[in-house]
Amino acid sequence: QVQLVESGGGVVQPGGSLRLSCAASGFTFSSYGMHWVRQAPGKGLEWVAFIRYDGSNKDYADSVKGRFTISRDNSKNRLYLQMDSLRAEDTAVYYCAKANHIVGGTVEDWGQGTLVTVSS
Amino acid sequence: DIQMTQSPSSLSASVGDRVTITCRASQSISSYLNWYQQKPGKAPKLLIYAASSLQSGVPSRFSGSGSGTDFTLTISSLQPEDFATYYCQQSFSVPYSFGLGTKLEIK
Repeated sequence: QVQLVESGGGVVQPGGSLRLSCAASGFTFSSYGMHWVRQAPGKGLEWVAFIRYDGSNKDYADSVKGRFTISRDNSKNRLYLQMDSLRAEDTAVYYCAKANHIVGGTVEDWGQGTLVTVSS
Repeated sequence: DIQMTQSPSSLSASVGDRVTITCRASQSISSYLNWYQQKPGKAPKLLIYAASSLQSGVPSRFSGSGSGTDFTLTISSLQPEDFATYYCQQSFSVPYSFGLGTKLEIK
């Protein structure tokens, strides 16, 4: 079955950087687009970024554009999120998620999430 | 950007009740509408995709309908495990926005 395991979360100061990683298994990783979705404490879901199956196209929410970079390594079945210039409002649980094969915007499977806290 | 508006924001119901949650898009999204269920401390789970298609393994008491701008999620007979927060999401265009959620609580 699909498994998505995030890592790399933690506490970081405002203005700092963090790199999240997601290990994927149970499916052909190189055939699927992938998402990052976040959820601030006690709040709703916010879509963050999407990358095509081959890494040829990347999309971002306006709130993170220019600060976050999504990438993937299909040889290692890994998805990444490089987060720079972090702000307090970036504090959230970050979910790695697999896209639907037909409609890339549909989030079909989710990891358990990793918590990022931006605080001085 | 497309805005997704869910109503109600919270709802109290009893086991066995029929419940309907609505979601409205700020512009037409055809049938590119998904519904997710999230329980406290857990990751969301896809219930319905393409407005009315039931995700594999999801009980048939869940159903979705609508197209264009107006959509509904219906639970035909509430079970104890259905008390959770439900989110709609449009997959029509980037950014793939979510509604603010509907918290379904036990009456």
